[in-house]
Amino acid sequence: NIVMTQSPKSMSMSVGERVTLSCKASENVGTYVSWYQQKPEQSPKLLIYGASNRYTGVPDRFTGSGSATDFTLTISSVQAEDLADYHCGQSYSYPPTFGAGTKLELK
Amino acid sequence: EVQLQQSGPELVKPGASVKMSCKASGYTFTSYVMHWVKQKPGQGLEWIGYINPYNDGTKYNEKFKGKATLTSDKSSSTAYMELSSLTSEDSAVYYCATYDGYCFDVWGAGTTVTVSS
Repeated sequence: NIVMTQSPKSMSMSVGERVTLSCKASENVGTYVSWYQQKPEQSPKLLIYGASNRYTGVPDRFTGSGSATDFTLTISSVQAEDLADYHCGQSYSYPPTFGAGTKLELK
Repeated sequence: EVQLQQSGPELVKPGASVKMSCKASGYTFTSYVMHWVKQKPGQGLEWIGYINPYNDGTKYNEKFKGKATLTSDKSSSTAYMELSSLTSEDSAVYYCATYDGYCFDVWGAGTTVTVSS
């Protein structure tokens, strides 16, 4: 199975800061990577699909990039409502797999 | 608007089975495959499998073969997942989600399963 490795495990940020989250695949997954935001006690919500496409209604401060094995989610100016867990996942091959997540916390 | 309404929390004894539901609305139920995902407390997401409501075709993660059984009912636009021979390792939140060929675009709120005697 393809292993997705996210880093860091957690990060403390201040409102307005720029944040970069990393996701690495154990083999080439093309651009079949998605990012999901999960707030406490809620289900995951799709942010980015196809590595770089924002889902409907997602603010443009969220940007996805990358291909093959290295992917990045950037939040240009973190807002208080962005504090959450972020998961990357690959749908290049079965079974779909996800990273362990990055927790974004308020400094 | 596509919505997935999942059944309520379950408290079950070790060794028992549990069946949860995911009722779809806002789209043609047979047009999209329904996936199921497990999340243990404080952990990441784990794909269980999917069912195609059009033809009841299924595909499972090898890890969940024999543990999870996926079914669907076209008449009520509802997908079901039954988990058998429950242990503490099965205590988790279980999500249903639609898949558009690229990603899991809509998720249900989740069903919490607690396995305890």
